[in-house]
Amino acid sequence: DADVTQTPRNRITKTGKRIMLECSQTKGHDRMYWYRQDPGLGLRLIYYSFDVKDINKGEISDGYSVSRQAQAKFSLSLESAIPNQTALYFCATSDPPLAGASYNEQFFGPGTRLTVL
Amino acid sequence: DQQVKQNSPSLSVQEGRISILNCDYTNSMFDYFLWYKKYPAEGPTFLISISSIKDKNEDGRFTVFLNKSAKHLSLHIVPSQPGDSAVYFCAASVTGTYKYIFGTGTRLKVLA
Repeated sequence: DADVTQTPRNRITKTGKRIMLECSQTKGHDRMYWYRQDPGLGLRLIYYSFDVKDINKGEISDGYSVSRQAQAKFSLSLESAIPNQTALYFCATSDPPLAGASYNEQFFGPGTRLTVL
Repeated sequence: DQQVKQNSPSLSVQEGRISILNCDYTNSMFDYFLWYKKYPAEGPTFLISISSIKDKNEDGRFTVFLNKSAKHLSLHIVPSQPGDSAVYFCAASVTGTYKYIFGTGTRLKVLA
C-alpha cells in the first residue's frame, strides 16, 4: 500500500467551482506539503504544515486554502477554480530533521491532475 | 524569478554512457541541494543530496558535484541504464527553513 495517497487522481471541473484535493499518509510524519507542477516551472510550494496546529503559506498560496484535519490528513481547496489552476498537484510528507541534519527528505504522493475548464 | 534553473529540458544518452544533468541557482543562501527523480504517473522520489560543505557526494552510479563559486551543481549517472529514463528535478534549501525550491526539471531518456 502506498504511504502517501492522493484523491482524486484526476479531476476535470469548471471555472468557479469549489474543489478539494485530499492527501492521506501512513508514514506517521508530522510535516505535510502541497505543491503544484506546471510545465516549464517545476514544483512550487503552495502550503505546508509542520503539525496539526501549524499552517503556513508557500510561494503561491493565492486562490488556495488548506485544512490539516489530523496528523495523517492534509486537504487543499480551490475556493473558486480558474483555468490557470490547471496543473498537477502533489502532496508530500516528511519527518522533522534529525539533530544536526540540514535537510529532511520529503516523500511525495502520486499526484492529482486537475483540469479547470 | 526562478531561483533554481535547469536549462536543459531534455537529454538523450546511449545506454552505458554517462548522463550529466545540470542545475544552476541564484540564491547564495542555499546550502543544501537535492535531486529527485520522477517517473510518469508517480510522485518524485529522493535520489541524492549534497551539503554546501562538500563538493561531491556519491551513491552507487549517482554522483552529485557542487561548485559553490559558480552556483552550479550537476548529477552524473554512470553507467546510464534505460530504467534511469525519467524527469530529474534539482532542489535547493536554506538550512533551518526545511522548504525546497525546485528547478524546472530535465527529462532524461536513456536509449537502449
